[in-house]
Amino acid sequence: AQSVTQPDIHITVSEGASLELRCNYSYGATPYLFWYVQSPGQGLQLLLKYFSGDTLVQGIKGFEAEFKRSQSSFNLRKPSVHWSDAAEYFCAVVPMEYGNKLVFGAGTILRVKS
Amino acid sequence: DAGVTQSPTHLIKTRGQQVTLRCSPISGHKSVSWYQQVLGQGPQFIFQYYEKEERGRGNFPDRFSARQFPNYSSELNVNALLLGDSALYLCASSVLENTDTQYFGPGTRLTVL
Repeated sequence: AQSVTQPDIHITVSEGASLELRCNYSYGATPYLFWYVQSPGQGLQLLLKYFSGDTLVQGIKGFEAEFKRSQSSFNLRKPSVHWSDAAEYFCAVVPMEYGNKLVFGAGTILRVKS
Repeated sequence: DAGVTQSPTHLIKTRGQQVTLRCSPISGHKSVSWYQQVLGQGPQFIFQYYEKEERGRGNFPDRFSARQFPNYSSELNVNALLLGDSALYLCASSVLENTDTQYFGPGTRLTVL
């Protein structure tokens, strides 16, 4: 079935440690790929996106993501996590054949310990 | 520039009632989409409107309807509310109809008692 999978429901990292959040998708063609962040009770803020070109994309707040076609993955990374990064992170795709409908993963809740 | 705005922020209704949620897109954005986010889940696509026409519909019952106005603002209506309709309703806008970056509003928290 066509879907977006975020295998980690919760992740806890220490402040200053590196972070990697996983995202896999199952669509025939390479979709457009996004990462959004949501603080409690808030809307979604766009961190970064991949449409085409360089497979390593830079986003806001020091985040980056790497698209790997062979693994159907779009993992989010940050070299040094800050306490303010604690939030829920959603990977999303727009499948090429579905207009502008975003399909979201279930999200990963990031906890940062001091 | 102002971002996507939504009203009201919070809403409490009882089962069987009807509700209308409102969204104003970013200036210059012609496409508005609605998403439902149930607690603990990712957002689910409900509708997309572009230039006042419906361009996409998710797997939601006919109790859900929407429209877009000439100024590109939008309303989402839900009739005959059920407890399961309790959720955060998110509005997103984009410039283009297809495969374009969507920017989200803060959402409307609907509680159905």
